[in-house]
Amino acid sequence: DTGVSQDPRHKITKRGQNVTFRCDPISEHNRLYWYRQTLGQGPEFLTYFQNEAQLEKSRLLSDRFSAERPKGSFSTLEIQRTEQGDSAMYLCASSQYGGPGTGELFFGEGSRLTVL
Amino acid sequence: AQKVTQAQTEISVVEKEDVTLDCVYETRDTTYYLFWYKQPPSGELVFLIRRNSFDEQNEISGRYSWNFQKSTSSFNFTITASQVVDSAVYFCALVDTGRRALTFGSGTRLQVQP
Repeated sequence: DTGVSQDPRHKITKRGQNVTFRCDPISEHNRLYWYRQTLGQGPEFLTYFQNEAQLEKSRLLSDRFSAERPKGSFSTLEIQRTEQGDSAMYLCASSQYGGPGTGELFFGEGSRLTVL
Repeated sequence: AQKVTQAQTEISVVEKEDVTLDCVYETRDTTYYLFWYKQPPSGELVFLIRRNSFDEQNEISGRYSWNFQKSTSSFNFTITASQVVDSAVYFCALVDTGRRALTFGSGTRLQVQP
């Protein structure tokens, strides 16, 4: 396993269209996170899963955003009715839970979204 | 509430200079964890170090060292004898026991000139 993979790496879409990103975590990792990063800023937490359960969602995750991890393996992040403000890098990370604060996050290379 | 502040937006040094990246954090928890990540131009964030709030020993790893001071809520990162390959954006991050996800600072872009 070579790490966390994300697909697509780049997506250009028109405002109002729906987009979906996929993340494949490191296989033995039970935690999966989605972050969003805009230019010049640090990653902002969106949501996180432990196995298939979505345990926390940020207030940044509006109703137009939905994330799933149906079998506790890969995850998808869908954005409906995209807006120009959704343009960002969407980062996925995974970790192996070993207690609070343990388990470094392994990040993918991100999916860059541009909404025209 | 958690907060991480990296006041230095960008730092430029010449190769072989030492450079310190500052990180100040806020949390109400007494148990928390601090991290540094590196984001090279390729974009993938790379883990550098994790520290828990009960371990204030400074750590050194090669040219990298970290200075954790609870009294000033700081977790600073020093690169000794910087190299061009150190050029990247560096992020400090925090998680406390009330959260499960890291809170990142806004990052410091380090440029090392040859």
